[in-house]
Amino acid sequence: KQEVTQIPAALSVPEGENLVLNCSFTDSAIYNLQWFRQDPGKGLTSLLLIQSSQREQTSGRLNASLDKSSGRSTLYIAASQPGDSATYLCAVSTTSGTYKYIFGTGTRLKVLA
Amino acid sequence: DTEVTQTPKHLVMGMTNKKSLKCEQHMGHRAMYWYKQKAKKPPELMFVYSYEKLSINESVPSRFSPECPNSSLLNLHLHALQPEDSALYLCASSQVYLEQANNEQFFGPGTRLTVL
Repeated sequence: KQEVTQIPAALSVPEGENLVLNCSFTDSAIYNLQWFRQDPGKGLTSLLLIQSSQREQTSGRLNASLDKSSGRSTLYIAASQPGDSATYLCAVSTTSGTYKYIFGTGTRLKVLA
Repeated sequence: DTEVTQTPKHLVMGMTNKKSLKCEQHMGHRAMYWYKQKAKKPPELMFVYSYEKLSINESVPSRFSPECPNSSLLNLHLHALQPEDSALYLCASSQVYLEQANNEQFFGPGTRLTVL
């Protein structure tokens, strides 16, 4: 059974810092991995999608990497801003059994001005 | 247009009420999803529709009844809910739903449901 874990659960950093969020999954047989952000009480905003054949994806200040063999993905945020404060979720689509997204536990990020 | 819309934004209902949640997308996506999210927890899949047909029901109680009238619309009919069903209900869509596909999911803003 696929399990997805995100460390740390919460993170507080001063504005301008570069930071790394981690996502670990137990079953390396995945189709893709998607990173989302969620503001309190709101829906999920897609940040980056990494297909199983890819190693990384970049969008603006965000860079996501994928290492399937070790069951890890990282989301790198450069020059963090207070507007980046949100919960960040990773989700993997499993190839075992039913094709669906399994979400991680999330990292709550607070960027201090 | 990468928008998924959901109505209503908030819903308060009693345990004997019947209500419906609505989700709409105009991206031409043929897969639509309902998720349930409790406070401080990740979303959990409830239903998947592919080409307007129900593909997955994650053992959801029958008091939740999904419906996909056409490729752009997804409804969730609610009846005789329990207080523990209070949660944020999220709708999502993706281009297609195929086991070999790599599809990005787009989420709506959610409906905050409170069952009294």
